[in-house]
Amino acid sequence: EAGVVQSPRYKIIEKKQPVAFWCNPISGHNTLYWYLQNLGQGPELLIRYENEEAVDDSQLPKDRFSAERLKGVDSTLKIQPAELGDSAVYLCASSYRDSTGELFFGEGSRLTVL
Amino acid sequence: QQPVQSPQAVILREGEDAVINCSSSKALYSVHWYRQKHGEAPVFLMILLKGGEQKGHEKISASFNEKKQQSSLYLTASQLSYSGTYFCGSMTSANAGGTSYGKLTFGQGTILTVHP
Repeated sequence: EAGVVQSPRYKIIEKKQPVAFWCNPISGHNTLYWYLQNLGQGPELLIRYENEEAVDDSQLPKDRFSAERLKGVDSTLKIQPAELGDSAVYLCASSYRDSTGELFFGEGSRLTVL
Repeated sequence: QQPVQSPQAVILREGEDAVINCSSSKALYSVHWYRQKHGEAPVFLMILLKGGEQKGHEKISASFNEKKQQSSLYLTASQLSYSGTYFCGSMTSANAGGTSYGKLTFGQGTILTVHP
């Protein structure tokens, strides 16, 4: 079974540029998460989807971050414009809605803002 | 609010045991444990649910003290492959129907290094 797929794995941009990350969850997983992980820290939730609906986006900086999950499958996280402090790893995870709550993480997209 | 893990780092030799603790200031519905190796995705180890149900890894055990809002992860007879950063995640709510899960908040991590 294929795991959670994210792209790109690495992205280097200059500040004020836009960037987008893509996530393909495990087939059949209704719940999708975007987490931000700074170096040496635990993952921090940005947004959680159940199917197409964003059920928790309280931690998403909406002035520059946006996300969508069309058709309840793939998801895209966008930052526009990027700031130096956005340099981090952006992790996508998915889970069954009625599972034990186990999250399956992708390998992440590492963003460096210069 | 983020759960607090202790210790921040542990260094072991193969075969030694370790305990990693996770404390929350809020009442817990469940505690999740993940391990992340450098440059890789976090991998699920264990979930402990309120009421005592436990699911997870056969070689790693954990406890969940609901009254103290604490969980401990026990790694016995450590192997080189145990090296990595261990994160606990606390979930403080779930929908009444139990069909959806609340926000999972991760601790800052405990770095475990196992030497030959």
